[in-house]
Amino acid sequence: EPEVTQTPSHQVTQMGQEVILRCVPISNHLYFYWYRQILGQKVEFLVSFYNNEISEKSEIFDDQFSVERPDGSNFTLKIRSTKLEDSAMYFCASSESPWDTQYFGPGTRLTVL
Amino acid sequence: AQSVTQPDIHITVSEGASLELRCNYSYGATPYLFWYVQSPGQGLQLLLKYFSGDTLVQGIKGFEAEFKRSQSSFNLRKPSVHWSDAAEYFCAVGPYGQNFVFGPGTRLSVLP
Repeated sequence: EPEVTQTPSHQVTQMGQEVILRCVPISNHLYFYWYRQILGQKVEFLVSFYNNEISEKSEIFDDQFSVERPDGSNFTLKIRSTKLEDSAMYFCASSESPWDTQYFGPGTRLTVL
Repeated sequence: AQSVTQPDIHITVSEGASLELRCNYSYGATPYLFWYVQSPGQGLQLLLKYFSGDTLVQGIKGFEAEFKRSQSSFNLRKPSVHWSDAAEYFCAVGPYGQNFVFGPGTRLSVLP
């Protein structure tokens, strides 16, 4: 069964550093998403992406964040200058259409020191 | 704006007992409703979903959920819980064309 994959599984970085989280969505999916989950809290939407454009973003997704589909398979989330409060599990998801089920990857745990 | 509540933060049941996890949503139209499960250190796995039609939906691992429009609820049930069901369960609302909104989650513990 096709699945969403994410790398790395765990990223440790120093405050102020840039990080790039990578995702490979399911191959025939066209809609891509990033969510985050701060430890012990609920899953929060960050951004959705379709046709090489951001479709929607939350208030969390400020200028420090950017997303890109650099090639036909990868979907990345970049945090330009990490803050302590960026420490969280980041989940990528993809779906065939905006009304369809979103399938989630296993997540990348980001730890900012 | 849409929202999802899961009134129970933590539930403990004995193995073999029945289970019901509550989910209430707030949304102006018929929502798309989902239950996801997250095992410790793992990602989110889809258990079941409701888009339209039969209000009782069957999912994986023996779970089912019932959509009750009058109560704005989408409660998850399982007749007999297994120790491997211990996990965090998230209810989510996914209106058409928009992002998912997740509930705060219910942590399920299973006693032997």
